[in-house]
Amino acid sequence: RKEVEQDPGPFNVPEGATVAFNCTYSNSASQSFFWYRQDCRKEPKLLMSVYSSGNEDGRFTAQLNRASQYISLLIRDSKLSDSATYLCVVAFRGRDDKIIFGKGTRLHILP
Amino acid sequence: DTGVSQDPRHKITKRGQNVTFRCDPISEHNRLYWYRQTLGQGPEFLTYFQNEAQLEKSRLLSDRFSAERPKGSFSTLEIQRTEQGDSAMYLCASSDQGLQPQHFGDGTRLSIL
Repeated sequence: RKEVEQDPGPFNVPEGATVAFNCTYSNSASQSFFWYRQDCRKEPKLLMSVYSSGNEDGRFTAQLNRASQYISLLIRDSKLSDSATYLCVVAFRGRDDKIIFGKGTRLHILP
Repeated sequence: DTGVSQDPRHKITKRGQNVTFRCDPISEHNRLYWYRQTLGQGPEFLTYFQNEAQLEKSRLLSDRFSAERPKGSFSTLEIQRTEQGDSAMYLCASSDQGLQPQHFGDGTRLSIL
């Protein structure tokens, strides 16, 4: 099993729809979780951290399920500007800290 | 601008040449990371520094790759005897503490002819 796995997509979603992505991770000792957004040929930018109790930032909701070892990202009322690749990031402390990026899920919002 | 900066933005070189990239992290961040990203993939971890100490190196980092952060501020990544497979975007990121969110620079796009 890969350390961090994401459905690569692409997800083609009409504007205004709700879309959800999952990301699974293999290391049960993982401690920190993030969603990053990456536009084509740009650097990744932090979208939101993911907290154990779940958290919301405007139209974006992130959840963590430790028992099943996955995190999710929900985007409501999607906008054309949400079109991007969404990267799942998992971090854990070992002998050295490890930060693992997923390959990303591509999202296309259709007008 | 107090974000992470990388130089150069683009580098085109012939196979076999040496290249060096520079990263200036956010000044108060003591963690600095290097990643490599190819098309359709997420960033792949190469190495990271806690201040001037290099704490971990990925198996991806062959003997031709070396990174330094001599004074715990900026860092350099050198690739010797470049190969076609080295063509990629090289991203630098910094963070305040170990598992905190990282802030990325714009990256250096390397093309090997």
